[in-house]
Order: sequence, then C-alpha cells, then structure tokens
Amino acid sequence: DQQVKQNSPSLSVQEGRISILNCDYTNSMFDYFLWYKKYPAEGPTFLISISSIKDKNEDGRFTVFLNKSAKHLSLHIVPSQPGDSAVYFCAAKTGTASKLTFGTGTRLQVTL
Amino acid sequence: GAGVSQSPSNKVTEKGKDVELRCDPISGHTALYWYRQRLGQGLEFLIYFQGNSAPDKSGLPSDRFSAERTGESVSTLTIQRTQQEDSAVYLCASSWSSNQPQHFGDGTRLSIL
Repeated sequence: DQQVKQNSPSLSVQEGRISILNCDYTNSMFDYFLWYKKYPAEGPTFLISISSIKDKNEDGRFTVFLNKSAKHLSLHIVPSQPGDSAVYFCAAKTGTASKLTFGTGTRLQVTL
Repeated sequence: GAGVSQSPSNKVTEKGKDVELRCDPISGHTALYWYRQRLGQGLEFLIYFQGNSAPDKSGLPSDRFSAERTGESVSTLTIQRTQQEDSAVYLCASSWSSNQPQHFGDGTRLSIL
C-alpha cells in the first residue's frame, strides 16, 4: 500500500533548465509534505517543506507546489545545476503522527 | 560533530547472529527516528522516540527488532537472529520536535550473509 508515489524513477535535465519532480499521495489526512535530496552513501538531506494550508513555498532555486484536490505535489528546481544530481524523495506526514511516509525516489541527472 | 552520527557505517554478519546499531542524534533534539531502506525502495519507518519513550513502534517488522534510547541522547537498534531480508540501510534521524524537519545520519549498511 504505497501512500506516497513517485512514478518517475529517473529524470535527465540539461544544466540551466528547469527540473520538475512529481509526487502523488493517496492519504487525504497528510497535511505536511517535505522533499529530501540524497547523494550515494549519505543520508537524506532536508530541502524544503510545505504545509497543506499553502499551495506554494519557495526557497532560492527550489519551489514546491501543492495541489490538494489532485493530491499532487511537485518540486521545481530552477536553474538546474550539476550538483543537483541526486535522488529526490518526497515525504508526507499527518498532523497527529511523527513518522514520515516516503516515496520511492526519483533520480535526477543534470547534464552539462 | 554537528550532525546525526551512526555507527558502524557498514556491518556484515551471518544469518542468525544479533546486531546492534547505534545512533547519536544532534544535541538538543528530543525526537529520534529509525528508518530502513531496502534496495530500490523508499525509506520505511521503524520507530519514533520522544525523549526516552517510544510512543510509536508501529514500524518494527517483528519481535526480533527492538530499540532503546537513553535520555535524549544515544539510541540503539537491535536485531536478533538476523535474516537475509533484514539486509538494508538503517537510517536514524532526529529533530527538535515531532513537528520539525528530520535530519538524517548517513546510515548503517547491514548485509546478512
């Protein structure tokens, strides 16, 4: 029962262009969403989050959009840089729970 | 160091042995979490500590798995009578509170032969 889904296992984008990573969820009780970035042999690093009371949150080159009616969120990276090449995980939680429910990740490759 | 520290970074053991994994959270973080990541999959929640109590153990896969935490510091995850399906990367995370973003260590890669 995959409550958080990242349907694209990989994505390749040219340097300087926009990267768009997508995430869908099925549990309507989720009210807080996060994106993590993971390099090989390292733990995930927190990138950006969004509460369900918002539909957009920006932090520098990273913007997360939330569409509650579609149960969909996306992470936009503009402009993409080679150092952004990593696996990106979408995660969600409900207000009453502490645990995060993760998607299976999307591997982003930013090419020169 | 300033981050979450886990040891050992790698552990190879024979099926049936017990293993103990250690996590040192960020100083001052009251919340501590254990997750595991099997090959090609997302992170799977195991257990959550608030201080030294564990209000959510719902992710522990069997009674072979146990964890404890001393005060608001070190936690150990113990797997008894290891099986091959226990092979995974075990990740620890900590946060100021359960409503703050979790910060992860680099994990322990456990391989059961």
